[in-house]
Amino acid sequence: QQQVKQSPQSLIVQKGGISIINCAYENTAFDYFPWYQQFPGKGPALLIAIRPDVSEKKEGRFTISFNKSAKQFSLHIMDSQPGDSATYFCAASRAGTDKLIFGTGTRLQVFP
Amino acid sequence: KAGVTQTPRYLIKTRGQQVTLSCSPISGHRSVSWYQQTPGQGLQFLFEYFSETQRNKGNFPGRFSGRQFSNSRSEMNVSTLELGDSALYLCASSFKGRQETQYFGPGTRLLVL
Repeated sequence: QQQVKQSPQSLIVQKGGISIINCAYENTAFDYFPWYQQFPGKGPALLIAIRPDVSEKKEGRFTISFNKSAKQFSLHIMDSQPGDSATYFCAASRAGTDKLIFGTGTRLQVFP
Repeated sequence: KAGVTQTPRYLIKTRGQQVTLSCSPISGHRSVSWYQQTPGQGLQFLFEYFSETQRNKGNFPGRFSGRQFSNSRSEMNVSTLELGDSALYLCASSFKGRQETQYFGPGTRLLVL
C-alpha cells in the first residue's frame, strides 16, 4: 500500500516532442503528489506538485494530470528540450509529514 | 540563501565500521529528512526530523540512526556497515515539514568495501 509505481523506466524523445511519465498509487491517504527532477551528481529538485482537489496543474512546459478515481497521475513535458534530459521521480506523501514515497524513476533522454 | 549542505561528499569505509553523515539545512528550515538512493532500490525514506524530534522512520534496520540538533542540523549514523549500505545518502529540508517544497542536498556517496 506504500508503493508508488512509475513507468516507463526510460524514455527517448526527440526535441520538440512530448514526454509522458505515468505513476500509480494504492494508498488513498496520500494527498500530495510532487515530481522531482534529478541530474547526474545532483540531488533531486522539485519540479511541480499537485493535490487531489485539482485534476491538472500547469507550470510552463510541465503539466501534471491527476485522476483521483484511478489513483493515477502523470507528468507531461511539452516541447521537450535536450536540457530536460534527466531522471524524473514521482512521489506521494500523507498529510502532516514530509515523508515521501518515491516511484522508481524514469530516465528521460531528449535528442536534438 | 545557501542550499542544503552535506558533508562529507564522498566516503569509503570497510565492512563492520561505522559512519556519521552530516546535513546542514537551509537557514530557517526546521524539518530534515534523509533518503537512501541506490540503483536497485531507488529512493527510500530513512528518517524525518522536526524540531529535534523524530517524526517518521523508514523501514531500515536499527543500525541506521539519526538525530537533529537545536540548530536544525542533522546527523545520521550507520553502524556495522555492510556492503549493501553503499549508496548515495540524501538529506532534504523544508520550513515547516508539512508537504512543502523539500530542498535536497547533493548527497554523500558512501562506498563500503
